[in-house]
Amino acid sequence: DAGITQSPRHKVTETGTPVTLRCHQTENHRYMYWYRQDPGHGLRLIHYSYGVKDTDKGEVSDGYSVSRSKTEDFLLTLESATSSQTSVYFCAISEWPSGSYEQYFGPGTRLTVT
Amino acid sequence: SQQGEEDPQALSIQEGENATMNCSYKTSINNLQWYRQNSGRGLVHLILIRSNEREKHSGRLRVTLDTSKKSSSLLITASRAADTASYFCATDAITQGGSEKLVFGKGTKLTVNP
Repeated sequence: DAGITQSPRHKVTETGTPVTLRCHQTENHRYMYWYRQDPGHGLRLIHYSYGVKDTDKGEVSDGYSVSRSKTEDFLLTLESATSSQTSVYFCAISEWPSGSYEQYFGPGTRLTVT
Repeated sequence: SQQGEEDPQALSIQEGENATMNCSYKTSINNLQWYRQNSGRGLVHLILIRSNEREKHSGRLRVTLDTSKKSSSLLITASRAADTASYFCATDAITQGGSEKLVFGKGTKLTVNP
């Protein structure tokens, strides 16, 4: 399995509180991604990073920010959580362009906003 | 917005039967990938097929690609109960800045009954 972990694995938080999810990799891959998965929507890209301090928005980036200060860590922050952000969040990494296009996924974080 | 759309949304078969899932997409691609997701887990890469390939095999998996119809199919032969999972197709998209990202479909939920 690719060396990719997510923390926390489960979190319950209240509306309006800030939340930070962490993705950590040991593969030294350049690309890192944050997705959310909801019933009926499949996987949707929130933000991605193509290097330290280099990030860009995905299709559902509103209400989320990201930071990548080190190659191995990619943080996703919900500045003020809303109930619509209740979801399962997946981090993924890719060795592209130095290698294959395939992505390796973390185990996911189940976030509930009450 | 979703690039790939899987069909059917759900499929239930008996062990030993073959399972076929289809994926349609909208714009031209460089490659198409298939992923599997077991319940409560992250996605796992199964196979990648490039736009200049028509068919690819990996064990009991057979993937076809028809770029003229913008469609792909995933065939799992001699299915097993352990194949029970959701299956997603993903197409690549290269951004204007040269970054690579995947766009996932909503998935096909396969149930293989013992």
